[in-house]
Amino acid sequence: GENVEQHPSTLSVQEGDSAVIKCTYSDSASNYFPWYKQELGKRPQLIIDIRSNVGEKKDQRIAVTLNKTAKHFSLHITETQPEDSAVYFCAASGGDYKLSFGAGTTVTVRA
Amino acid sequence: SQTIHQWPATLVQPVGSPLSLECTVEGTSNPNLYWYRQAAGRGLQLLFYSVGIGQISSEVPQNLSASRPQDRQFILSSKKLLLSDSGFYLCAWSVSGVNEQYFGPGTRLTVT
Repeated sequence: GENVEQHPSTLSVQEGDSAVIKCTYSDSASNYFPWYKQELGKRPQLIIDIRSNVGEKKDQRIAVTLNKTAKHFSLHITETQPEDSAVYFCAASGGDYKLSFGAGTTVTVRA
Repeated sequence: SQTIHQWPATLVQPVGSPLSLECTVEGTSNPNLYWYRQAAGRGLQLLFYSVGIGQISSEVPQNLSASRPQDRQFILSSKKLLLSDSGFYLCAWSVSGVNEQYFGPGTRLTVT
């Protein structure tokens, strides 16, 4: 099955700086890569996703890049704000519509 | 718009007791439904998924089971809970044939 690795496990950034989280996947058939944000005690929320026919996607301060050859994808958050503090999960999915999740990255934005 | 409900929100159960968690989705038909478990400080583990009534696929061998008695209802059960069953149980749905999954509010289960 699919194996997704996520790094780093924790990330502390100064407010206004950028944050980058990286994930690798093992199954070359995977074609859908979402990112979820989970605040303490809450449900994961889908914040952005990318499909295998696209190399980059942006939505305001967040962007995701995909390198299918290297089988890795990344989440970029620019101009970080305190409300960006949360746990972020990457995931990968193939044609069976099941998601395999990374272990998560705890992001702390220092004021 | 679509809405997903889970209950109860929190549950404290003794070891060896039975379990029944319920998930319902409103505003869509024939969704794919998923049960995940999240241990404290950990990632999301897919337990079961269903593409239709009575169709359940198990991802992880365990003492849990799932059922889908109605199109938009998904139930997670156990006959005898173990301490290791403690965690945050999340139900998710997606439109059939579409990748995007959306999570319910979750049930926090503590087995004592």
